[in-house]
Amino acid sequence: EAGVAQSPRYKIIEKRQSVAFWCNPISGHATLYWYQQILGQGPKLLIQFQNNGVVDDSQLPKDRFSAERLKGVDSTLKIQPAKLEDSAVYLCASSLDLSGLFENMFFGSGTQLSVL
Amino acid sequence: RKEVEQDPGPFNVPEGATVAFNCTYSNSASQSFFWYRQDCRKEPKLLMSVYSSGNEDGRFTAQLNRASQYISLLIRDSKLSDSATYLCVVNIRAGNNRKLIWGLGTSLAVNP
Repeated sequence: EAGVAQSPRYKIIEKRQSVAFWCNPISGHATLYWYQQILGQGPKLLIQFQNNGVVDDSQLPKDRFSAERLKGVDSTLKIQPAKLEDSAVYLCASSLDLSGLFENMFFGSGTQLSVL
Repeated sequence: RKEVEQDPGPFNVPEGATVAFNCTYSNSASQSFFWYRQDCRKEPKLLMSVYSSGNEDGRFTAQLNRASQYISLLIRDSKLSDSATYLCVVNIRAGNNRKLIWGLGTSLAVNP
């Protein structure tokens, strides 16, 4: 079974530039998550989709971050403009989540973003 | 008080040792609990879900104490390959939704 696919694997940009990350979840997984993980910290949820609807985006800095999942499958996360503090690993995860108990959640390899 | 707290470590133990990690949570309405393992520069991977009765998977044992609001992970006969960061994760109800709260992780280094 194919896992969660993410690209690019690494990205280096200068502050105030824009960047976009792509995620393709495991086939059939209705729930998709974007997490930000800063070095030495646990993952922080940015946004959670159920199919193509947003379930939780309470921690998404909406002045600079946006995400979409138009057809309920793959998703993009964009940062515009980037700040130094956005340097982190951006992890995409997906789950069946039939029970609402977050069972069977799988992560992609992540995109490591460095903002200079 | 943080919603999920873990001792960050690092825990340095010799091969073959038994090591235990604790994790405390503040929301008494928490519904499900997990331990994830994260290797350096890798994504988190589910190690164990934690059930009320406690559960065991080979050398790993997870227990839940709802009264004291903590979960634990015990690793017996540590291997070099167990070196990683162990993340405690708690599922809480937030309004009509549920969300996962992640701890900062506990770092384990198993030494030869």
